[in-house]
Amino acid sequence: ETGVTQTPRHLVMGMTNKKSLKCEQHLGHNAMYWYKQSAKKPLELMFVYSLEERVENNSVPSRFSPECPNSSHLFLHLHTLQPEDSALYLCASSHGTGTEAFFGQGTRLTVV
Amino acid sequence: DQQVKQNSPSLSVQEGRISILNCDYTNSMFDYFLWYKKYPAEGPTFLISISSIKDKNEDGRFTVFLNKSAKHLSLHIVPSQPGDSAVYFCAASPSTSGTYKYIFGTGTRLKVLA
Repeated sequence: ETGVTQTPRHLVMGMTNKKSLKCEQHLGHNAMYWYKQSAKKPLELMFVYSLEERVENNSVPSRFSPECPNSSHLFLHLHTLQPEDSALYLCASSHGTGTEAFFGQGTRLTVV
Repeated sequence: DQQVKQNSPSLSVQEGRISILNCDYTNSMFDYFLWYKKYPAEGPTFLISISSIKDKNEDGRFTVFLNKSAKHLSLHIVPSQPGDSAVYFCAASPSTSGTYKYIFGTGTRLKVLA
């Protein structure tokens, strides 16, 4: 059982669709993250929220739009994606800096 | 420019022997280091961490060593078990800079042979 839950686990979407990924953490952490894992690449940090404020935006295209309504929930809104955006999207949370981050199971996204 | 590097994409070790996974980093601002284990179709699971004020941290079969002058860390697993077969990621964070950032390597696939 994980303290970070991501839904859906799998998603197939067309390039003109709009979809959202959801992440929920039950650990009382104050920071939440979106990472992207593509084949044969390191995990790429996309966005970081600390106390619901975005503190990091790693040059991510605007077709990815994060939202953090409260410290327990994080969303990634997707629109007009490209096939090369197909990847495993991972959510994580941590309690401040200098502590470990805990990851969810990930959403396997396929853009067709 | 990759700031955290794991130069061995794969490693095979006999059960009961020691597994040594290596990681190098380039950014001197990194002061907190972590190892994660990942099975297919799952998220990374935290294993062990080390702060730059230490050079060794041990937790059961897992020991992480940090050599700050060489900007190198390693994970030792003793004894290795078949259930340890997974992809291992090294990560680094500039925690004292106040930024929330974990930078990951590309991973090393460990296979422990029974």
